[in-house]
Amino acid sequence: SQTIHQWPATLVQPVGSPLSLECTVEGTSNPNLYWYRQAAGRGLQLLFYSVGIGQISSEVPQNLSASRPQDRQFILSSKKLLLSDSGFYLCAWSVSGRASAGELFFGEGSRLTVL
Amino acid sequence: AQKITQTQPGMFVQEKEAVTLDCTYDTSDPSYGLFWYKQPSSGEMIFLIYQGSYDQQNATEGRYSLNFQKARKSANLVISASQLGDSAMYFCAMRERGNTDKLIFGTGTRLQVFP
Repeated sequence: SQTIHQWPATLVQPVGSPLSLECTVEGTSNPNLYWYRQAAGRGLQLLFYSVGIGQISSEVPQNLSASRPQDRQFILSSKKLLLSDSGFYLCAWSVSGRASAGELFFGEGSRLTVL
Repeated sequence: AQKITQTQPGMFVQEKEAVTLDCTYDTSDPSYGLFWYKQPSSGEMIFLIYQGSYDQQNATEGRYSLNFQKARKSANLVISASQLGDSAMYFCAMRERGNTDKLIFGTGTRLQVFP
């Protein structure tokens, strides 16, 4: 069966420090991968998505970047964190192509607090 | 542009009763998919139910059913026989056309089930 795992689960970082959140998927190949952010008490905002290795699309201009060095690995990064980067970050995957309804399967989430 | 609206920030329901969570959407695309997710306090997003725009019947999954009214552009979630474990945030989402199956989310409804 397919699983998705992201880490770390909780992170407290000072302003200006770097960030790296990692997400891996097991049990499937060539998944579509996504990074979402959820601000406190709000819905999910899509940050990045990827349809293949090295292929990254950004949805909103921001202080963050994403990379996909391997088929089932998705990394969210920042060189210098801002206070506004605080939030709950969720990685997700979906089956590529039209073989499924397109539902997303989410990881456990990473809670980032920037101080 | 596609948009999802959830107008109920919070709902209360007594255990064993049914509850309806509202969702309206806006799209000019004739082909789309609608999803509901549950987010308990742990933060993980759990896929509940899916409705395709061309599906003739309303989707059902156990105690969850989707009241799909295409002309009204609404996709309300009905939870029958509520349980205390149903207390959570609920998000409605819509899939955009394209290869990536990107989902856009509403702002969510917090459901609280009381004994």
